[in-house]
Order: sequence, then C-alpha cells, then structure tokens
Amino acid sequence: GQNIDQPTEMTATEGAIVQINCTYQTSGFNGLFWYQQHAGEAPTFLSYNVLDGLEEKGRFSSFLSRSKGYSYLLLKELQMKDSASYLCAVMDSNYQLIWGAGTKLIIKP
Amino acid sequence: ETGVTQTPRHLVMGMTNKKSLKCEQHLGHNAMYWYKQSAKKPLELMFVYNFKEQTENNSVPSRFSPECPNSSHLFLHLHTLQPEDSALYLCASSQDLGSGANVLTFGAGSRLTVL
Repeated sequence: GQNIDQPTEMTATEGAIVQINCTYQTSGFNGLFWYQQHAGEAPTFLSYNVLDGLEEKGRFSSFLSRSKGYSYLLLKELQMKDSASYLCAVMDSNYQLIWGAGTKLIIKP
Repeated sequence: ETGVTQTPRHLVMGMTNKKSLKCEQHLGHNAMYWYKQSAKKPLELMFVYNFKEQTENNSVPSRFSPECPNSSHLFLHLHTLQPEDSALYLCASSQDLGSGANVLTFGAGSRLTVL
C-alpha cells in the first residue's frame, strides 16, 4: 500500500531552527508538497519538490531525495506564528495525492 | 472575494436531518474537491469534479451526495449521517487535474458534528 510517515508533534523554541521529516512509499512519484494549516484555517501551499535537492523560500526550505523516499521541511528563525500543522503529500503515478497525517509544530517563547 | 469560501463554518445536525455544505471559488479553476479531515488522520479524498463532471468517488457512502452545478460551485448534501461522520470537511480547487505541480487552494472547512 501507499504510505506517508511524518512525526505527530514537534516542539521548538522561538528563534531556533526545526526540521520536519517526511518519508514515503508510493506507486510512482510526480512530486512532493508541503502545506501549512493553522488551527481552524485552510491548509495553504508552502512548497513543491519534484527533483532532488533543496528549494529555499525565505525562512522555509524543502529538501527531497527520491532514491531514499525522503523529504524534510526546514524552518529557520522560528516565530510564534509558525505554530501550525505541516502536511506532507506525494503525488503518485496516477496523479493522486497521498497525504500524511500532519505534524503539529508547537513554538515556545 | 477571492479564494475558496465554504459555508457554513460550523454545523450540528441529528442523524435524521438533511443539510448541505457549500463551496465557492473565484479563482477560475477547473477542478474542485471534497476532503474529509479527522484528527490525527491523513486527509481523505471524497469526490473530485473536473469541468463540472465527477471524475472520482472514493467509495464514499451514499449518505454523502455531491453536486457541482458549475465550475465555481460545489455542494455536499448530507442525510442520515452517523456520529463517526463528525469531522472537518474541506473543499479545494486547482487549475487542472493530472499535472505534477497541481497546487490545491483550500477553503477553511465546515466543522460538522453529528449527534
């Protein structure tokens, strides 16, 4: 079967760096997405990786290794507003999105 | 208003009630989706519409009935629901289907409680 694994919850300190990992086993691969979802709000798109390597967007970066079935989202200079759930999703060979259960990130002052 | 708008934001209903969830997008997207989000579980895809035509029904019970009158509006009609159907129902849209960089734009969801 198809599966996405990510930690259920992580805690980090304001100003620090945190890395949220995502591993996947899917039928084919057409890209990996990260979404951010604040409590009670819509998930919003953060990043899309289809080739190996690191994509940087301001304080957020996303890394992909297709051979290892692995990605991470790196958040730098953490702010309180970064407290949210982070959803990892992989698009399989049929262009279906397979979702992880999300990682709840708690930022402490 | 831009983006994806869902109404109502909160809904409480009994198992014998009939209610509907509404979704509207003003992004000019051709594809619309219904997802179910339960605590600590992955998003579950329920239905997909592309150019108003249903392209996916993920073995969803018939007590959930979708309707897509045009590319901008999507409804989810609910009847004789069960308590385990209580969840957040998310609507999303995307430009197209079947491409890799298919970014979804989500609504804020309708929180459904079935008593």
